[in-house]
Amino acid sequence: EPEVTQTPSHQVTQMGQEVILRCVPISNHLYFYWYRQILGQKVEFLVSFYNNEISEKSEIFDDQFSVERPDGSNFTLKIRSTKLEDSAMYFCASSEETSGFSYNEQFFGPGTRLTVL
Amino acid sequence: AQSVAQPEDQVNVAEGNPLTVKCTYSVSGNPYLFWYVQYPNRGLQFLLKYITGDNLVKGSYGFEAEFNKSQTSFHLKKPSALVSDSALYFCAVRDRGFNKFYFGSGTKLNVKP
Repeated sequence: EPEVTQTPSHQVTQMGQEVILRCVPISNHLYFYWYRQILGQKVEFLVSFYNNEISEKSEIFDDQFSVERPDGSNFTLKIRSTKLEDSAMYFCASSEETSGFSYNEQFFGPGTRLTVL
Repeated sequence: AQSVAQPEDQVNVAEGNPLTVKCTYSVSGNPYLFWYVQYPNRGLQFLLKYITGDNLVKGSYGFEAEFNKSQTSFHLKKPSALVSDSALYFCAVRDRGFNKFYFGSGTKLNVKP
């Protein structure tokens, strides 16, 4: 069964450093997403991506964040200068497109736990 | 503003009893509604969705949910709970006009033998 994969599973970094979280969405999916979940809290939408551009983003997704689809398979989230409060589990998700729009369920990866020291 | 509320942090049921996990939503138009389950140290797994049509939708593992437009609710139900159903359950909503999802705060379901 196809699945979304994420690397690394755990990333530890120093405050102020840049991190790149990587995701490989399901191959025939066209919509991609990043979410974060601070320990014990709700899942928060960060950004959605379609047709090589951001389609929606939340207020959390400020100038410190960027996303990229550098090739035909990877989807990355970059945090330019990490803060302590960026420590969270980051989930990538992807979904199919139907009739030029996506109302299909999202398939989530296992997450990357980011720890900022 | 769009939002999802799961009023119960935790639901406790005995194995074999019916379970309900509550969800209410607030969106500007007609929503797409989803339920996901999260097991410890795992990503979210899709259970079921409401897009249009019959208000009662059936999903994975015997779960179902009823869309109630007048009460803006989408409660998750199962007729007979299993211990293995113990997990964290998230309701999510998407406004039809936008590719942006809102998740509830999650409800921890504890099913005791």
